Amino acid sequence: DTEVTQTPKHLVMGMTNKKSLKCEQHMGHRAMYWYKQKAKKPPELMFVYSYEKLSINESVPSRFSPECPNSSLLNLHLHALQPEDSALYLCASRRVQEIRTEAFFGQGTRLTVV
Amino acid sequence: TQLLEQSPQFLSIQEGENLTVYCNSSSVFSSLQWYRQEPGEGPVLLVTVVTGGEVKKLKRLTFQFGDARKDSSLHITAAQPGDTGLYLCAGAEGSNYKLTFGKGTLLTVNP
Repeated sequence: DTEVTQTPKHLVMGMTNKKSLKCEQHMGHRAMYWYKQKAKKPPELMFVYSYEKLSINESVPSRFSPECPNSSLLNLHLHALQPEDSALYLCASRRVQEIRTEAFFGQGTRLTVV
Repeated sequence: TQLLEQSPQFLSIQEGENLTVYCNSSSVFSSLQWYRQEPGEGPVLLVTVVTGGEVKKLKRLTFQFGDARKDSSLHITAAQPGDTGLYLCAGAEGSNYKLTFGKGTLLTVNP
């Protein structure tokens, strides 16, 4: 099983709304990632959690708030977003014990901020 | 932060042609991955290369990792319209949890 599940697949929210994106994996991976991707561009790293602790924050605005409740789940809480935050948000997970540490991605959440 | 230069950024070819995509860095990576992504979907892992000089084949796709582990290439033989997509290389930075992506190659294979 190499599946990373993201919900919802699509989300439309207003600039005053609060919403959350969810990500789940059952591969025992102890590193989990949030990426933001604009059309025809590569994914941009936002956050990395390792062993359920935030290890990398790529200077992401505080209107994005990550949370890792346990080793299988990763959330991204959204509040007061701007239209330019509209993008595909990708979750990924990865083993950390080996040098061959490929990441597996979910299908993404297509977010539109209106 | 280690940078990965990927080229070409755009490639439009006819069905049956061959192509090569390059991924280069001035830094050494502990491993390098190639992904393929279709619009609106997440990247799908194609291959991981770890050893310098390594060559891996996946049907019509051939992946090579440079001897110094600073560069990689993806060669597609007899491209098909189903190969259309965004091809991304990504490098793992040693014991750091970071995964760095190249800018991607948008490949279009015309029937």
